[in-house]
Amino acid sequence: AQSVTQLGSHVSVSEGALVLLRCNYSSSVPPYLFWYVQYPNQGLQLLLKYTSAATLVKGINGFEAEFKKSETSFHLTKPSAHMSDAAEYFCAVRPNFGNEKLTFGTGTRLTIIP
Amino acid sequence: DSGVTQTPKHLITATGQRVTLRCSPRSGDLSVYWYQQSLDQGLQFLIQYYNGEERAKGNILERFSAQQFPDLHSELNLSSLELGDSALYFCASSTRTSAADTQYFGPGTRLTVL
Repeated sequence: AQSVTQLGSHVSVSEGALVLLRCNYSSSVPPYLFWYVQYPNQGLQLLLKYTSAATLVKGINGFEAEFKKSETSFHLTKPSAHMSDAAEYFCAVRPNFGNEKLTFGTGTRLTIIP
Repeated sequence: DSGVTQTPKHLITATGQRVTLRCSPRSGDLSVYWYQQSLDQGLQFLIQYYNGEERAKGNILERFSAQQFPDLHSELNLSSLELGDSALYFCASSTRTSAADTQYFGPGTRLTVL
């Protein structure tokens, strides 16, 4: 069984400040991990994914995430927030073999303060 | 634009009715996934098809069914609708069924049951 926990359903940061969105996973087998972003009235868009290569993963729009096995974490960061980053962010986990389902966290709504 | 199209964009219907949601995957993608997004349940995987065959089932109610046609488009049928079925329904597609494959999401169909 696998699951992800996203700490903080709402996060607010000032424009230009560091963005840190937290994701902890639970998986009985080595996982693949994903971050998706959902803008209002749109579908989900992949930001980045960890698939057992480099533990520091760089994604689109300046986001990156680091896979830390010892902490079972895959936190999403961006050095400097932009107004266009306001959206809902979902962390997701999937076992790294077979055809198991993608399991999503409950999401974190990011608000950018001008 | 992910390349995944969903119709209709909005659907309003009454309890007890039946509706069909349609999804066209990205060109070349063989896998289609259906998800339900609601405020109380979050993003839930419903079902997956690969090249016309059912490959995985999630939290899909017996009142719901899906199929994937030879041209690879997919339809999700929802019957005996209840108020609680009101949600956003997303379709996603991927190239194959590998756990590392990125799932590309469509814009969703918003279903309102009155």
